[in-house]
Amino acid sequence: EADIYQTPRYLVIGTGKKITLECSQTMGHDKMYWYQQDPGMELHLIHYSYGVNSTEKGDLSSESTVSRIRTEHFPLTLESARPSHTSQYLCASSLPGEETQYFGPGTRLLVL
Amino acid sequence: AQSVTQLDSQVPVFEEAPVELRCNYSSSVSVYLFWYVQYPNQGLQLLLKYLSGSTLVKGINGFEAEFNKSQTSFHLRKPSVHISDTAEYFCAVSGLYGGYNKLIFGAGTRLAVHP
Repeated sequence: EADIYQTPRYLVIGTGKKITLECSQTMGHDKMYWYQQDPGMELHLIHYSYGVNSTEKGDLSSESTVSRIRTEHFPLTLESARPSHTSQYLCASSLPGEETQYFGPGTRLLVL
Repeated sequence: AQSVTQLDSQVPVFEEAPVELRCNYSSSVSVYLFWYVQYPNQGLQLLLKYLSGSTLVKGINGFEAEFNKSQTSFHLRKPSVHISDTAEYFCAVSGLYGGYNKLIFGAGTRLAVHP
């Protein structure tokens, strides 16, 4: 079982603020993912990475950006938060060639 | 286009009763199938997965699922549920789409176990 951590777990912030959601994993997984999940809805992939210095946009268009400078770290940044960004953000990771993704506990973001 | 359909958005059931959560998928490529569970205010936890081999897959917490290729289904079952099984359950399909491995989720089924 992968150890994958997300901070903060909950964040309430005002419109226009810059925020960074942290995601770290200790299993040395090369692949990492960010999903957005609205209440009662399915998960939508917004970003993924296959390794250091590799980042790609997912299926759902997002104003957020990501970086992958270290294998274990995959932060997500919103330069200017808006109420439409209110959602839950889930980070996941997996090994190359392995289909199973392991999820962190998620960050619930509320933008006022 | 690939998709996952969870036929029931909510399933109420009494404790110790059996339950089946239905999942159908559509895909033109070979797929791997997963069930994840999400407890309130938590991330997703893997329940079980089908990659190949036996079509009956056993997972954690007494859950099992059966892969049916002809019906493109992967229904989740448990013979006797507990209050602690109350959660959101997500079916997902993984495959190689557009050059990269992709996990597509269904909309989820909320299982509510009543005493």
